[in-house]
Amino acid sequence: NAGVTQTPKFRVLKTGQSMTLLCAQDMNHEYMYWYRQDPGMGLRLIHYSVGEGTTAKGEVPDGYNVSRLKKQNFLLGLESAAPSQTSVYFCASTLDGYYNEQFFGPGTRLTVL
Amino acid sequence: AQTVTQSQPEMSVQEAETVTLSCTYDTSESNYYLFWYKQPPSRQMILVIRQEAYKQQNATENRFSVNFQKAAKSFSLKISDSQLGDTAMYFCAFTYNTDKLIFGTGTRLQVFP
Repeated sequence: NAGVTQTPKFRVLKTGQSMTLLCAQDMNHEYMYWYRQDPGMGLRLIHYSVGEGTTAKGEVPDGYNVSRLKKQNFLLGLESAAPSQTSVYFCASTLDGYYNEQFFGPGTRLTVL
Repeated sequence: AQTVTQSQPEMSVQEAETVTLSCTYDTSESNYYLFWYKQPPSRQMILVIRQEAYKQQNATENRFSVNFQKAAKSFSLKISDSQLGDTAMYFCAFTYNTDKLIFGTGTRLQVFP
């Protein structure tokens, strides 16, 4: 069981470039989440999904898009990267509800120059 | 709005001693869930302990226990017999009948030999 994996682990982008972060889980979880972590601000929810084919906005969705075409994968896209999107991005999944433990991936450190 | 406050940005403790991390939250809900997550230097977040608000008994997991004071909206984490491996960021989190977790800003704990 790999749990939650994220690809890539590190990335450097120039302002205006685009990229996609991939999150995969092999636990058959329904719910998946994308967070960003910035110093002194804890984790903030970007987007989430409560099942295959569904997505919803979190606290800080602007500048990001997501897709959940397959149950096991949750993609986070940056169409036109900005320096303000420099952060560490975490994906998480949970079985079937807000009250359950969230399982986190190892994170992706993204730098936008 | 629901908020989670961790007022101690940094804490330190000697190995084998006991330390308590503070967390307060604000909500008008009566049924909700509280969590403590640990983020070691490797970055991957893991669940430490979980408390359901309707359960009066404080949750415990080995050396980790909570002091849940519902009326005071307080949820502190006590780590007994601290070990070097407890060095990490600790995040308090809250959720109620939604699909999202709300995180505090974290407390950095350093365990000294």
